[in-house]
Amino acid sequence: EVQLVQSGAEVKKPGESLKISCKGSGYSFINYWIGWVRQMPGKGLEWMGIIYPGDSDTRCSPSFQGQVTMSVDKSINTAYLQWSSLKASDTAMFYCARVVADSIGYGAFDIWGQGTMVTVSS
Amino acid sequence: QSVLTQPPSVSGAPGQRVIISCSGSSSNIGAAYDVHWYQQLPGTAPKLLIYDNKNRPSGVPDRISASKSGTSASLAITGLQAEDEADYYCQSYDSSLSGVVFGGGTKLTVL
Repeated sequence: EVQLVQSGAEVKKPGESLKISCKGSGYSFINYWIGWVRQMPGKGLEWMGIIYPGDSDTRCSPSFQGQVTMSVDKSINTAYLQWSSLKASDTAMFYCARVVADSIGYGAFDIWGQGTMVTVSS
Repeated sequence: QSVLTQPPSVSGAPGQRVIISCSGSSSNIGAAYDVHWYQQLPGTAPKLLIYDNKNRPSGVPDRISASKSGTSASLAITGLQAEDEADYYCQSYDSSLSGVVFGGGTKLTVL
């Protein structure tokens, strides 16, 4: 079965760092772009960026540039999203999703992780 | 404010047909970039409903269809069922932003 499994919910304080994960299985992980999508409480979907596990090529939305870091460890089929200093406004659900077979990474997301809820509160 | 504009809500009775619109511009839908649609049931991750403007992934019923024309796209659901009650999002690429954009989402209520 093709799936993406994300790490569990996190509760952090402002200023703390965080790295969440997204593990792919059932397909050739290195050959599909992985995207990250934010959904703030009660709000819509926001595209954060994409990363290609094969060579770690990354495209980031200007809205999130410098705020988060995307990375992969292709040896364990896992993508990561990390923050160096969280803010209360980072409180949201974060989804990873696989981009359909597409050479430039901007196609549809056909497989989604279950989401990781990040809560930042003092 | 989303780059792609969707109505905040639509509703219909069981068995009826509803259409959800997605309005863009010359830098996204109007530039011939593909449109994709997702369904998000309460408390769950989004699910791909339509890709590349009109194609259904396997498992998506044929009572769900979509089209694109000019700077807009639309999703149609016929034979409404209670299980269709969800949020729906359109997605495309925007050349001005050099990235993917989502519509603001539409809440479908089955009366």
